[in-house]
Amino acid sequence: NAGVMQNPRHLVRRRGQEARLRCSPMKGHSHVYWYRQLPEEGLKFMVYLQKENIIDESGMPKERFSAEFPKEGPSILRIQQVVRGDSAAYFCASSRDREQPQHFGDGTRLSIL
Amino acid sequence: SQQGEEDPQALSIQEGENATMNCSYKTSINNLQWYRQNSGRGLVHLILIRSNEREKHSGRLRVTLDTSKKSSSLLITASRAADTASYFCATSAGNMLTFGGGTRLMVKP
Repeated sequence: NAGVMQNPRHLVRRRGQEARLRCSPMKGHSHVYWYRQLPEEGLKFMVYLQKENIIDESGMPKERFSAEFPKEGPSILRIQQVVRGDSAAYFCASSRDREQPQHFGDGTRLSIL
Repeated sequence: SQQGEEDPQALSIQEGENATMNCSYKTSINNLQWYRQNSGRGLVHLILIRSNEREKHSGRLRVTLDTSKKSSSLLITASRAADTASYFCATSAGNMLTFGGGTRLMVKP
């Protein structure tokens, strides 16, 4: 069974560009979560999606950030007009349902020049 | 401040010793989970303990939960060099996991 797959593993963008991070959940998992981790810190929740629906986006900045989980294809976290402060590791997790453990991908490390 | 706070922030022990990490949280929870993260990698789920459970075992791991004190502990027995990693507790009380800052464990061979 393939785990949660995230790509790219590393992404470098210049200030003002757009960053697109992709996440394919584990087979059979319809719940996807995105987290952000700064160096030496724990993960901070951003958004929770269930096929085609955003369930909770309380941790996501209101501007420049958006997420989707279409019926077909991976979940996408999109950051428009990136700034230096967006540099972080972004992790995706998936689960069968809300009560089950979340399984994490290896993350995308975003660096803003 | 964070829902989960781990203590200590860093721990260095010799191989074969036991390692104990503690976690405190602030609000009511459905369950509490422990994860391990190796450098540059994602989190690996270790164990989940529900709010109505007090203790749980998995191999060399033992987790306790005291809901009256809003605290949990993770004990790793007979540690190995491969246990070197950061360990995070995460509380679940709705749609998300809320993570603490982690304990960085180093096990010296």
